[in-house]
Amino acid sequence: KQEVTQIPAALSVPEGENLVLNCSFTDSAIYNLQWFRQDPGKGLTSLLLIQSSQREQTSGRLNASLDKSSGRSTLYIAASQPGDSATYLCAVNPGNNDMRFGAGTRLTVKP
Amino acid sequence: DVKVTQSSRYLVKRTGEKVFLECVQDMDHENMFWYRQDPGLGLRLIYFSYDVKMKEKGDIPEGYSVSREKKERFSLILESASTNQTSMYLCASSGRGLGNTIYFGEGSWLTVV
Repeated sequence: KQEVTQIPAALSVPEGENLVLNCSFTDSAIYNLQWFRQDPGKGLTSLLLIQSSQREQTSGRLNASLDKSSGRSTLYIAASQPGDSATYLCAVNPGNNDMRFGAGTRLTVKP
Repeated sequence: DVKVTQSSRYLVKRTGEKVFLECVQDMDHENMFWYRQDPGLGLRLIYFSYDVKMKEKGDIPEGYSVSREKKERFSLILESASTNQTSMYLCASSGRGLGNTIYFGEGSWLTVV
């Protein structure tokens, strides 16, 4: 059964820092991987979707990479801002729409 | 703009009550999902539907049922609410095929007392 792990569980950085969030998964047979943002008490907002044939995706200050063979993905946030404070979740799609989610990394960006 | 709407954001129900959580999407998506999210356990799939009147059990279907009579609407039903069903419930949808982004609603906070 696919297991998705996100480390660290929480991260606090000063404003302006570049940072990396990590996601690992146990079964490399995935169809795609998606990164989400969740604000307290709210639903999930999709940030980036990487298909299994892709190595990375970029959107503004966000860059997500995927290394399927090693079962890893990273989300890079450049020049962090207090508005980036949220929980970030990754999810893998094993090919049957039964997506598997990590528990998330709670990010705090201090002004 | 893509929209998944969960009609009830906050509900308080009594043990034994029948509870309906409604979800509507406006993107003509074939797939719809119900998850629950609990601290330390992450998101767990309850049920999903890939077409009208079709449903598949997820990881934790016990105590729940679903209904999809129209493509845009997916309902989650708690037949007899219990305190261990107190949770945040999230509805989501995606297009047919496996490469599509999944979109989530704002969530429904259910407290069973």
